[in-house]
Amino acid sequence: QKEVEQNSGPLSVPEGAIASLNCTYSDRGSQSFFWYRQYSGKSPELIMFIYSNGDKEDGRFTAQLNKASQYVSLLIRDSQPSDSATYLCAVIRYGQGNLIFGKGTKLSVKP
Amino acid sequence: GAGVSQSPRYKVAKRGQDVALRCDPISGHVSLFWYQQALGQGPEFLTYFQNEAQLDKSGLPSDRFFAERPEGSVSTLKIQRTQQEDSAVYLCASSLGTSERYNEQFFGPGTRLTVL
Repeated sequence: QKEVEQNSGPLSVPEGAIASLNCTYSDRGSQSFFWYRQYSGKSPELIMFIYSNGDKEDGRFTAQLNKASQYVSLLIRDSQPSDSATYLCAVIRYGQGNLIFGKGTKLSVKP
Repeated sequence: GAGVSQSPRYKVAKRGQDVALRCDPISGHVSLFWYQQALGQGPEFLTYFQNEAQLDKSGLPSDRFFAERPEGSVSTLKIQRTQQEDSAVYLCASSLGTSERYNEQFFGPGTRLTVL
C-alpha cells in the first residue's frame, strides 16, 4: 500500500460543475496536507494547504481534512476548462520536512 | 521576486556521463528540496537542505547521486555515471521556514534529463 493514494482518473466533469478529488494517507503521523496542480509538461503549483480537521476555503477551492478517517479532499466549484490538469495530493509526516506525493488524479473539464 | 529557477531546463546525456543540475531557490528561503518525477508518477523525494546542512538524503537512489548547497543558497545535484533509469524530471523546491508543519514548498520548472 502506497503511503498516499489517489484515484488516477481521468475524472471528467462538465464546465460549471463541482469537481471532487480525493486522497487517503496511511501514516497517522502525517500532519500537513497539500494540494498541487500540475499542467502537462509543467512543474507542480501549490493550490491549497490544510493542517487542521475541517474545511478550508480559498476562492473556488475547498480543502477538507478528516484525520480520523485519514482522508483529505479538494473541491473545485464552477469548474473551468483551464482547471484541466493533474492534481497531486501530498503530506508531510511529523518530524520530517519532505513532501510525500500520491500519483495524482487527472481532471478533465469539458466545455 | 523571482521564483525558484533551475538550469539547464533540458539535458541529454550519454550513458556513463556525469551531469550537474542547478537550483536557485527563492531569496531568503531556508529549506531546499530535490525531487525526481518519472512520467505519470508523483514526485519522489531525494534530499533536503536547511541552509547549508543536508538534513536528509534518504531518498537518493544510489551513491552515484550527490547534492550540495555550500553557501546555503544555490544547490547542485550531481549524478555520476548516468544510467538510463536516471531519465526523469528533477524538481527543486524551496520553502521559507524550517518547521515541518508550516512548510509550503514552491517548485522550480524542473530539469528534464534524458540518458541515451
